[in-house]
Amino acid sequence: DIVMTQSPDSLAVSLGERATINCKSSQSVLYSSNNRNYVAWYQQKPGQPPKLLIYWASIRDSGVPDRFSGSGSGTDFTLTISSLQAEDVAVYYCHHYYNTPLHFGQGTKLEIK
Amino acid sequence: EVQLVESGGGLVQTGGSLILSCAVSGFTFSGSTIHWVRQASGKGLEWVGRIQRKTKNYATAYAASVKGRFTVSRDDSANTAYLQMNSLKIEDTAVYYCMGYYYDSGDYPIPLRFWGQGTLVTVSS
Repeated sequence: DIVMTQSPDSLAVSLGERATINCKSSQSVLYSSNNRNYVAWYQQKPGQPPKLLIYWASIRDSGVPDRFSGSGSGTDFTLTISSLQAEDVAVYYCHHYYNTPLHFGQGTKLEIK
Repeated sequence: EVQLVESGGGLVQTGGSLILSCAVSGFTFSGSTIHWVRQASGKGLEWVGRIQRKTKNYATAYAASVKGRFTVSRDDSANTAYLQMNSLKIEDTAVYYCMGYYYDSGDYPIPLRFWGQGTLVTVSS
């Protein structure tokens, strides 16, 4: 099974500053047929379902603000929020969909400093 | 607009059964893979199981924690997926979400933007 591990578990960042969340997979999730990493990032606010931000590690979903970006390949991935806004307070999850069982990271709680 | 709506949750005793439904609209359901994911109160996301498209013989897969007790199925004519849960345990208590993937021109999966709002399953002794 491929396990996703996020760091840190929680993060406090000042408004307008950069937030960086890391995610490491226990095995490569780079699919050789299309040279894409099967990693997605989700944002979850209290009482709401997760919302897709990024898929294939770096493709921003339609309508997602461009301050959100994803990077990485193989086993190491990063979600970056370039300039934190108040509405970005949430829990963020990385997720691999390379094979089953799918797995989500444990979540990173992002707060305002 | 893509919509997924879960239903069927409720209170059930340990050892009991429940069937959850995931009604889908706004995209080609038959061409998608549907997954169930659960979230216990205050906890993270746990993948439960999935059912693939007809072209993949409706293949199913399950998390080890539910294998042999839960069954995922689908009715493409009704644009609905199901999660049959048997032999329920206290630790199955969670909000259950359905989510899915559609496929691009190269037949590679892309996550659906939206999940359902979830349905709460509470298992009590």
